[in-house]
Amino acid sequence: GAVVSQHPSWVICKSGTSVKIECRSLDFQATTMFWYRQFPKQSLMLMATSNEGSKATYEQGVEKDKFLINHASLTLSTLTVTSAHPEDSSFYICSARGGESLAKNIQYFGAGTRLSVL
Amino acid sequence: SQKIEQNSEALNIQEGKTATLTCNYTNYSPAYLQWYRQDPGRGPVFLLLIRENEKEKRKERLKVTFDTTLKQSLFHITASQPADSATYLCALATSGGYNKLIFGAGTRLAVHP
Repeated sequence: GAVVSQHPSWVICKSGTSVKIECRSLDFQATTMFWYRQFPKQSLMLMATSNEGSKATYEQGVEKDKFLINHASLTLSTLTVTSAHPEDSSFYICSARGGESLAKNIQYFGAGTRLSVL
Repeated sequence: SQKIEQNSEALNIQEGKTATLTCNYTNYSPAYLQWYRQDPGRGPVFLLLIRENEKEKRKERLKVTFDTTLKQSLFHITASQPADSATYLCALATSGGYNKLIFGAGTRLAVHP
């Protein structure tokens, strides 16, 4: 149990285009989902926290108009990188927490999405 | 300032030995601390959680200690195997809203046959 699927695993796009990343909890309902960004050999940096049906809470320094987060259901959250530029190239990882049968303090992570902006 | 520090240098050990990884933090008062394993190009996988009022937690070959006075957690893998080679991340849970996790940069462990 507690499987989180993230798609796509790898995406290459041209500068100026938008990219959408999906995060799904496959076998539990996620009350909260988190989006992280990770640069090589660095720690995961939390970008935003979202609860189903409400607006995401963004961390300081993260542009909410640049990184659009939608958490429309208890099993799906999406991150859209709008007008991507080469400096947005990174490894993006989502996690989900929740479910009555799961320990509420544990986050279950997707496999990550490698974004390369040309 | 707030910091979470893990040894940035890789830890190389021989198969069968005990690996010990360290996580130190400053200017945090975490409600609990977690350890995750991350393989290259993959998302982290949860291993263990230890609360502020717990001194030690075990799970199979894994053991975590938590010393809130020293502001330190130690993560041990006994009888290590080459398959244990990965990066291990410690994460603190803040007491703020949504119980956010703050991650250390991780320590890479290499277990040699």
